[in-house]
Amino acid sequence: SHALPQPPSVSVAPGQTARITCGADSLANLRVQWCQHKPGQAPVLVIYDDTYRPSGIPGRFSGSNSGSPATLTITGVEAGDEADYYCLVWDNTNDQWVFGGGTKLTVL
Amino acid sequence: EVQLVESGGGLAQAGRSLRLSCAASGFTFDDFAMHWVRQAPGKGLEWVSGISWNSGFIGYADSVKGRFTISRDNARNSVHLEMDSLRADDTALYYCVKGGGAFVIVIAAEPPFDHWGQGTLVTVSS
Repeated sequence: SHALPQPPSVSVAPGQTARITCGADSLANLRVQWCQHKPGQAPVLVIYDDTYRPSGIPGRFSGSNSGSPATLTITGVEAGDEADYYCLVWDNTNDQWVFGGGTKLTVL
Repeated sequence: EVQLVESGGGLAQAGRSLRLSCAASGFTFDDFAMHWVRQAPGKGLEWVSGISWNSGFIGYADSVKGRFTISRDNARNSVHLEMDSLRADDTALYYCVKGGGAFVIVIAAEPPFDHWGQGTLVTVSS
């Protein structure tokens, strides 16, 4: 399976809203997960099953998958949100998890 | 506290084998699926393989299918990745990842992964 398409980079000023998309077509029949990966650290799941937020993840992180494409939204972006973000879906045709290509979020 | 400690990484020649291990603690190991995820230098994350709680379901990425074998030992709280016929593009940091539930596949309202180890580096020379 090929990586899901994501924009290579997104840049926002502190306090603004960042939106990171996943997939070229609708993923509405899939359950999209989102991981945050900071350099030198282990990745962290920030959204699962389209919209659920794991405990400990700030409410500034939200996900949507009701249209095209699936989107991770970070409101009130902080400097500490600077990281690579990956979407992730289960490919039930090939029985494997597939990550997106990743998006580097830069906080200006 | 959940802890996942990988070992077994190192330098290997192309065509040779390596065996990665992950020692797990801080949770009921045999209740959860386990996965391996890797990141090649300068590249993104790639799911490698996953194994369900009782080894009843095992999945592999296309890139490793037929070369890598995942297994688990619930008595020893460990998961392993046997990597054969190594290639230069297998060079990566390999993470051991705890599943959010018992199964490898996606489950409604359940996180697929919830804890990651710090990774072990595999370098394959051609």
